[in-house]
Amino acid sequence: DTAVSQTPKYLVTQMGNDKSIKCEQNLGHDTMYWYKQDSKKFLKIMFSYNNKELIINETVPNRFSPKSPDKAHLNLHINSLELGDSAVYFCASSPRGSGGGSPLFFGPGTRLTVL
Amino acid sequence: DQQVKQNSPSLSVQEGRISILNCDYTNSMFDYFLWYKKYPAEGPTFLISISSIKDKNEDGRFTVFLNKSAKHLSLHIVPSQPGDSAVYFCAASAGGSQGNLIFGKGTKLSVKP
Repeated sequence: DTAVSQTPKYLVTQMGNDKSIKCEQNLGHDTMYWYKQDSKKFLKIMFSYNNKELIINETVPNRFSPKSPDKAHLNLHINSLELGDSAVYFCASSPRGSGGGSPLFFGPGTRLTVL
Repeated sequence: DQQVKQNSPSLSVQEGRISILNCDYTNSMFDYFLWYKKYPAEGPTFLISISSIKDKNEDGRFTVFLNKSAKHLSLHIVPSQPGDSAVYFCAASAGGSQGNLIFGKGTKLSVKP
């Protein structure tokens, strides 16, 4: 059974479109995250949710909106896609917040390409 | 401003020898450090961690060393195996359970048979 799953794995779309990436974890964790790995290979946190509540919201354009319908799901919706949004997006979860040495469990990633 | 730096983008090691991956950090408030391993087209997977109150943590073939005064940590893999070939990310956090994990850029390890 996949612990953290994301769909789709690949997403190719035109500039200006709106798209969503879905994430589900079956680990019973309280905290979920979205990370972005850009072309320079840095993994940067975008959002963190704890029990469906937004905890961390880094400097991310408001075209990006996370939605957590329940503790096991954290979806990412992106409006008006731009070329610079092309990246690999990773969903992750942890039993509690990512500080305190609690490891994150990552999904396989979604490679988004904006043309 | 990179708070976690992995200055070697790649490392090549012979099978059976030791692999040493290095990581430097700038934020003295970091209190936990973690190493992740990533294969192509997969998400990072947790490998080993260390608290700032320790200077060494060992798990099988993997040992992490922390030098707080130098703000430096290293991951030792002994003996290295071809299956260890992957990108290794160093990460650090501060500020209790809600602290962000800050990642380095990664080092690609190639273990040659």
